[in-house]
Formats: sequence, structure tokens, C-alpha cells
Amino acid sequence: DAGVTQSPTHLIKTRGQQVTLRCSPKSGHDTVSWYQQALGQGPQFIFQYYEEEERQRGNFPDRFSGHQFPNYSSELNVNALLLGDSALYLCASSSYTRQGTSGNTIYFGEGSWLTVV
Amino acid sequence: QKEVEQDPGPLSVPEGAIVSLNCTYSNSAFQYFMWYRQYSRKGPELLMYTYSSGNKEDGRFTAQVDKSSKYISLFIRDSQPSDSATYLCATGMNTGFQKLVFGTGTRLLVSP
Repeated sequence: DAGVTQSPTHLIKTRGQQVTLRCSPKSGHDTVSWYQQALGQGPQFIFQYYEEEERQRGNFPDRFSGHQFPNYSSELNVNALLLGDSALYLCASSSYTRQGTSGNTIYFGEGSWLTVV
Repeated sequence: QKEVEQDPGPLSVPEGAIVSLNCTYSNSAFQYFMWYRQYSRKGPELLMYTYSSGNKEDGRFTAQVDKSSKYISLFIRDSQPSDSATYLCATGMNTGFQKLVFGTGTRLLVSP
């Protein structure tokens, strides 16, 4: 059973460029969330997708956008990159119908390391 | 004030010690609690999930939640050098779509 998979694992971009990160959720999961983890900090919630719609959003600017596809996979796009966007970007998957139950678990991928120079 | 407070450490212990990791949270609406282990430059790995006050045990790990004092703990018995990692506590509300609120993580070093 494949877990949460993310690509690419590492990438370097220049200020002002755009980046797209990809995520495939764990089998059986239909909800995908994205988190940003700066060095030495805990992950910060960016947004969450379910049924191809953004359902919740954290305190991130509109430069951060996303998409969910019919097969539940997701993309995170960041435009006009800033040096401060350098971080580990984590994808988390869960099951909407298991929320509020003992089976409610949220699994993370290994992340995509983004360096902006 | 952060919603979830966690001592960043590092916490250094000898092999075999009992480790206690702790977090406090401010929002009484938080209803479920998770502990993740994160090795350097890797994604967080789910260790424990609890949905109510009390204790939950899994092997060498015990998670404890005290909702009255808004305090959550993770105990590791017979700690091993392989337990050296950053431990993240996370919590969330069980309303609508869920998002996790994390502490900053505590770095644990277990020496042989």
C-alpha cells in the first residue's frame, strides 16, 4: 500500500519564478492538505482540497494556489517566489468520511525541499 | 501567544531513559491530538493519535491528554539511539474540514 508520494524531492528556483509541486494521496484517502515547514519550525497549514475544491485556507497569500484532480492527486503552485518561500512543503492525506472517528488519521509525505535563490 | 506551545529542546538523554515530551495548547475546542516523529530532512511520521482525555499506549510509546489543563504528553520508555529525532505535537478541531495546528517540535537526542 503506497503512502503519500510527493515530487520533486528537491528543487532550486530563482526569485520571481513559479513552482509546481505534486502529491498523490495514500490509497483510500480523498482529502489532500498542504503545509509549509520552515527550518526549525512546525508545519504551517496552507490549504486543503476535497472533491476538487479548496475547502480551507491558512494565512498564506494568493501567490499560493492549488488544484485537486479527479483521482485525488493534487498540485501546489507558488508564483512570484520570494526568498522566504524556501521551506519543506508537505502534503498530507486523510479521509473525509473518517473525520471525527477513531480512524481519523492524517499521513504526510516526505516533502519537497524548495530553495529560492 | 501561539495556539500550541512546545519546548524546542534539544533534550539529551542516555539510552534506556524514560523520555517525557510535552505540549500545551490554548484553544479548548481542540478535540484530537497527534504525535509525529520527524527525522532530519524527512516528512513527519504519525506515531500516536488520541481523540479524548486519558492515556493511549503503543509499544514503548504512551500518549497522554489532559483536556482540563490543555496539556498533552508523549512518553518513550527504554529510549534508543534510533529514537533521536524531532517530535511534533499536533492538534485540531473536529468541525468541518480538519487542519492540524503544530507545535515547533522538540529535538530529542538519545546517546548510546
